[in-house]
Amino acid sequence: EAGVAQSPRYKIIEKRQSVAFWCNPISGHATLYWYQQILGQGPKLLIQFQNNGVVDDSQLPKDRFSAERLKGVDSTLKIQPAKLEDSAVYLCASSLDRGKDHTNEKLFFGSGTQLSVL
Amino acid sequence: EDQVTQSPEALRLQEGESSSLNCSYTVSGLRGLFWYRQDPGKGPEFLFTLYSAGEEKEKERLKATLTKKESFLHITAPKPEDSATYLCAVQVLGYQKVTFGTGTKLQVIP
Repeated sequence: EAGVAQSPRYKIIEKRQSVAFWCNPISGHATLYWYQQILGQGPKLLIQFQNNGVVDDSQLPKDRFSAERLKGVDSTLKIQPAKLEDSAVYLCASSLDRGKDHTNEKLFFGSGTQLSVL
Repeated sequence: EDQVTQSPEALRLQEGESSSLNCSYTVSGLRGLFWYRQDPGKGPEFLFTLYSAGEEKEKERLKATLTKKESFLHITAPKPEDSATYLCAVQVLGYQKVTFGTGTKLQVIP
């Protein structure tokens, strides 16, 4: 079974530049998540999709971050303009969707994109 | 506000020295509590899901337990390959969001 694919693996940009990350979830997984993990901290949910729709984006800084999920499969996360505090690992995860009344159980994570903003 | 707190932040053990990691949570209603393992440079890897107080699950040298306020990850006779960061996460009733704690970094010395 192929895992969650993410690219690029590393990205270095200067502040105020823009950057985009790509994620391809496990085939058949309806739910897709983007997490931000700052060094030494646990992952923080930025946005959660169920198929094409957004389930939760309450912690997404919408003035600079945007995300979309194309045709309920691949997803991109964009930052524009980037700030120094955006330096982190951006993790994509996916899970089988059993509906809002069920436990999501396993989240399958990609290896992440490590972003450095200089 | 829902909170997940893990302790200790870091733990150093000798090979074979058993210990426990703690995850305390404050949520309005627990749907599930999860344990993940994260190796450097990789995404978290699922270990266990616990649903109700009193439940226990085991995998090799790891055993997870759950009470109404906290969960423990017991590591019996650890080996160097158990070195990793262990993350606890919760899902609240009525929501699909999964919230992670800050993790415990475990180092097992040969």
